[in-house]
Amino acid sequence: AQSVTQLDSQVPVFEEAPVELRCNYSSSVSVYLFWYVQYPNQGLQLLLKYLSGSTLVKGINGFEAEFNKSQTSFHLRKPSVHISDTAEYFCAVNGNQFYFGTGTSLTVIP
Amino acid sequence: DTAVSQTPKYLVTQMGNDKSIKCEQNLGHDTMYWYKQDSKKFLKIMFSYNNKELIINETVPNRFSPKSPDKAHLNLHINSLELGDSAVYFCASSQDRSGYTFGSGTRLTVV
Repeated sequence: AQSVTQLDSQVPVFEEAPVELRCNYSSSVSVYLFWYVQYPNQGLQLLLKYLSGSTLVKGINGFEAEFNKSQTSFHLRKPSVHISDTAEYFCAVNGNQFYFGTGTSLTVIP
Repeated sequence: DTAVSQTPKYLVTQMGNDKSIKCEQNLGHDTMYWYKQDSKKFLKIMFSYNNKELIINETVPNRFSPKSPDKAHLNLHINSLELGDSAVYFCASSQDRSGYTFGSGTRLTVV
């Protein structure tokens, strides 16, 4: 069985401040991990993914995430957010099936 | 060229009608999916097809019927539309476990 938990449903943050969006997962098999972003009224776009190798993964738009196997986490971070980062962010895990978390709404405040 | 394209982008229809949403991918992927995103942004898989064969059929009303004429197309037909069917429907494709490519979505509104 697999599951994905995004611990924060809404995260407000001021412009140019750092942000961390949290994601924990559980799985009985090895997994691949993903972060997707959904801008208002748009589809889902892949931000980054962890398949193997280095546990620190860099993605588009200055985002990065770190895979922590012992804590079964894959938190997303950005050192300085912009207004344009306001969006819904989805963590996803693929073990024997692809599961999405419930999403975190990031709002960047001017 | 759009990798995964869905049509229409918006669909407004009355209760009881039958409608279809089309999806095409030009990535050469073997597997295609339909997801439903509700008003709370929750994404739920509905169907998955691998090379025209149904491999995932989650618990959805049998008013929803997917059809895959070839591995590049996966259409979704919905009979007797209900108010609760209002949502955004996403098509996606993948070649392996390493990630999905999504279409831009179809916003269905049933009135």
